[in-house]
Amino acid sequence: AQSVSQHNHHVILSEAASLELGCNYSYGGTVNLFWYVQYPGQHLQLLLKYFSGDPLVKGIKGFEAEFIKSKFSFNLRKPSVQWSDTAEYFCAVSRNSGNTPLVFGKGTRLSVIA
Amino acid sequence: NAGVTQTPKFRILKIGQSMTLQCTQDMNHNYMYWYRQDPGMGLKLIYYSVGAGITDKGEVPNGYNVSRSTTEDFPLRLELAAPSQTSVYFCASSPPGQGLTDTQYFGPGTRLTVL
Repeated sequence: AQSVSQHNHHVILSEAASLELGCNYSYGGTVNLFWYVQYPGQHLQLLLKYFSGDPLVKGIKGFEAEFIKSKFSFNLRKPSVQWSDTAEYFCAVSRNSGNTPLVFGKGTRLSVIA
Repeated sequence: NAGVTQTPKFRILKIGQSMTLQCTQDMNHNYMYWYRQDPGMGLKLIYYSVGAGITDKGEVPNGYNVSRSTTEDFPLRLELAAPSQTSVYFCASSPPGQGLTDTQYFGPGTRLTVL
């Protein structure tokens, strides 16, 4: 079965610190990869996605993610976090062949302190 | 566009009661989904639909039922509520571009407590 692992349950950073959130998946075929964000009290929204092409994907609010096929990873990065980045971040993976729904990781809670 | 709307926002049920969580989207999306979110567990897919009249089970379908009579609506039914169904429920939809693997648009969620 396909699974998605997010290594960090809760990350606490000071403002201006750099961020990297890990995401690994188990499926060996061609995949579509997503990062969703859930700000406090809000619904999930797409941060960025990778379907094909350049493995370095840029999303909204200065976030980027790099797809490393050999490592089955799609880590999320931001050079300098802000207090407003406090949220829960979910990695999601799906095969892009066949009709297979997304599988979400358990999420990483990011707390940014002043 | 309102996007994906869900009602109610909050609900408390007694064990054994039933209820329907409503979900409507106005983006003419073929694909719709129901998830539950439990703390520290991420999102688990309950049911999904690829179009009107077609539904399929996700990872955690037990205790739930769905129907899809129109493109816009995808209600989720709990027949005999149990404490294990205490959760936040999210409805989502996605356009027909990449099938089930495309970007999903989420509703605001329904917080359900079963006592």
